[in-house]
Amino acid sequence: LAKTTQPISMDSYEGQEVNITCSHNNIATNDYITWYQQFPSQGPRFIIQGYKTKVTNEVASLFIPADRKSSTLSLPRVSLSDTAVYYCLVAANHGSSNTGKLIFGQGTTLQVKP
Amino acid sequence: DAGVTQSPTHLIKTRGQQVTLRCSPKSGHDTVSWYQQALGQGPQFIFQYYEEEERQRGNFPDRFSGHQFPNYSSELNVNALLLGDSALYLCASSLKASAQETQYFGPGTRLLVL
Repeated sequence: LAKTTQPISMDSYEGQEVNITCSHNNIATNDYITWYQQFPSQGPRFIIQGYKTKVTNEVASLFIPADRKSSTLSLPRVSLSDTAVYYCLVAANHGSSNTGKLIFGQGTTLQVKP
Repeated sequence: DAGVTQSPTHLIKTRGQQVTLRCSPKSGHDTVSWYQQALGQGPQFIFQYYEEEERQRGNFPDRFSGHQFPNYSSELNVNALLLGDSALYLCASSLKASAQETQYFGPGTRLLVL
C-alpha cells in the first residue's frame, strides 16, 4: 500500500489560508487520495477525497498534480476551531484486493493561533 | 440520517478480562471496519467485515475477533486484555459497492485496561 509523508506540525493564524502537502510517491492507479480531520478523543472526520486535478467542497480544496505523487489540502480562512490533526491517506478503490484497509500515518497537527 | 454510532463511550477493564464493543453503521452502509488508536498515534486497522464475514485483517493477534450481524451492525471482541490494549477503538462504515468506498468514522470507545 502507498505510504504517505506529511509535515508533523504546522502553525497558522486565524483568517489565513493553510496548505498541507502530502507526498505519496508509490500511489497506485486504483488509489484515491483522502483527507481526514481529527479532534482529540473523537473519530476522524472525512474532509475531502479526489483522484486527480482539483476537488472543492464547502470545507476545503484538494489539489492533485498530473503525476499524482503528491497532493495539497487547502483550508481557506482557518479559525481556531480548525486546530486538529489532519491525515492524508491513499486508499484503493472498489475492485482492488486492498479496499477497506486505510493506512494512517501520524498526520499533521495544525495549530491555529488568534 | 444517523451517522456511525458506537457503544459504550468509555470502558474500564482489568488485565485478563474480555470486552465487547459495538458499532452501528451509517444508514445505507453495509461494511464495517475497526481501528485501534493509541494515544498520540494514527488509527491502526484491525479488520473489516462485509456480508457477515471478515474480509481483511491487520496485524492484530487472534485475541481480537469480531462479528457482523444481518442488519450490518458489528461487534469487536478482545480476549485476555493486556495493558497495551488501552486505546480509542474506532468503527468506520462504508458502502462496498461505491467507487471510492469512503469510510465514515464513529466517535469511538475509549478502553482503559488496568
